[in-house]
Amino acid sequence: EAQVTQNPRYLITVTGKKLTVTCSQNMNHEYMSWYRQDPGLGLRQIYYSMNVEVTDKGDVPEGYKVSRKEKRNFPLILESPSPNQTSLYFCASSQPPGQGAIGEQYFGPGTRLTVT
Amino acid sequence: DAKTTQPPSMDCAEGRAANLPCNHSTISGNEYVYWYRQIHSQGPQYIIHGLKNNETNEMASLIITEDRKSSTLILPHATLRDTAVYYCIVRPRGTSGTYKYIFGTGTRLKVLA
Repeated sequence: EAQVTQNPRYLITVTGKKLTVTCSQNMNHEYMSWYRQDPGLGLRQIYYSMNVEVTDKGDVPEGYKVSRKEKRNFPLILESPSPNQTSLYFCASSQPPGQGAIGEQYFGPGTRLTVT
Repeated sequence: DAKTTQPPSMDCAEGRAANLPCNHSTISGNEYVYWYRQIHSQGPQYIIHGLKNNETNEMASLIITEDRKSSTLILPHATLRDTAVYYCIVRPRGTSGTYKYIFGTGTRLKVLA
């Protein structure tokens, strides 16, 4: 089954304790992205990657790191989490539009992070 | 990047057509319009997309005005399961251009029994 998986689905942690949220896709997509969703603010893009070893900042990259060493994985790293990073996080993947591809994004189930 | 404007909320009676508008007045010629929806706190789901022609699939229809500055997503016979937040976004065609997606806050559609 084509899917994007995220782990963990729920996480409660304390300020300053480094954490990683994993994201994996099995569709051989080149493009992957991370979003956060907060009440009243909609979905905001954190980082995206157009291919292996190619990453770039979205609209809200502060406090986050990413890496793309393999095509299927795109982990989100919070080196020193703070309470304002409490949010619902989504990973997504897609093929770039063109050459027969629609370019629609497939989203993971989300990770609910609470930083106390 | 073109940004979109959507009404924050709408109601629709079950069985009736739901028409969700989106304004994208700064859209450029190479930008597609995509629609997604999000049910509760699940990951958003792709619905439909278009460039300048009207489009229809098994989920919905997309009507894009001739000047491409606005579009309407139509759910022809809304059901209670269509209650969700609907997002209209624009993104470039092809592999050129930025991949920074701007989802905004969408329209919260409530289908009433």
